[in-house]
Amino acid sequence: DGGITQSPKYLFRKEGQNVTLSCEQNLNHDAMYWYRQDPGQGLRLIYYSQIVNDFQKGDIAEGYSVSREKKESFPLTVTSAQKNPTAFYLCASSIASGSTDTQYFGPGTRLTVL
Amino acid sequence: AQSVTQLGSHVSVSEGALVLLRCNYSSSVPPYLFWYVQYPNQGLQLLLKYTSAATLVKGINGFEAEFKKSETSFHLTKPSAHMSDAAEYFCAVRGSNYKLTFGKGTLLTVNP
Repeated sequence: DGGITQSPKYLFRKEGQNVTLSCEQNLNHDAMYWYRQDPGQGLRLIYYSQIVNDFQKGDIAEGYSVSREKKESFPLTVTSAQKNPTAFYLCASSIASGSTDTQYFGPGTRLTVL
Repeated sequence: AQSVTQLGSHVSVSEGALVLLRCNYSSSVPPYLFWYVQYPNQGLQLLLKYTSAATLVKGINGFEAEFKKSETSFHLTKPSAHMSDAAEYFCAVRGSNYKLTFGKGTLLTVNP
């Protein structure tokens, strides 16, 4: 089955700890994205990558970091510098980053920082 | 820059009634528009998209949307609501770059 996998589904961390969220896709898509979702706020773009070994900041990149060493993988690290990390995180991918390309979403990871 | 406004954060309808979820957009270039649905604690699933080929777009699960340039709108409709339609719906616009800008979502409740 082709799709996007995010793990784990639920994640709990203590304040001040870094945490890495996994995102893997087997759709052979070039572009990958990370979004943050908060209740009543819609989705906000954290980082995106159009090609391996390249990525750009989105609208709310502060306190987050990413890497794109492989086409199928785009992990997101939530650092201790992120002031309010508790949220639902969604990974997406698309064939490329053209205007009509559809973004396909993973099932999400809910991060709770205690 | 582009933006999306979804009118009504919560819409409640009876089973069998018309569903109308409103979306207005702002874009400096011809827009590409999307509607996604999200069930609780799940990712987003594409319902339909407008890419300038036709103003009336049909999607999955009986939903459709009409692009009206003069009104800068892309409202989502379904003639008869089912209980399974209860979910949160997001409108999104993509402008001159690859980035999607999402509305804040509309939670649809379907009453028996």
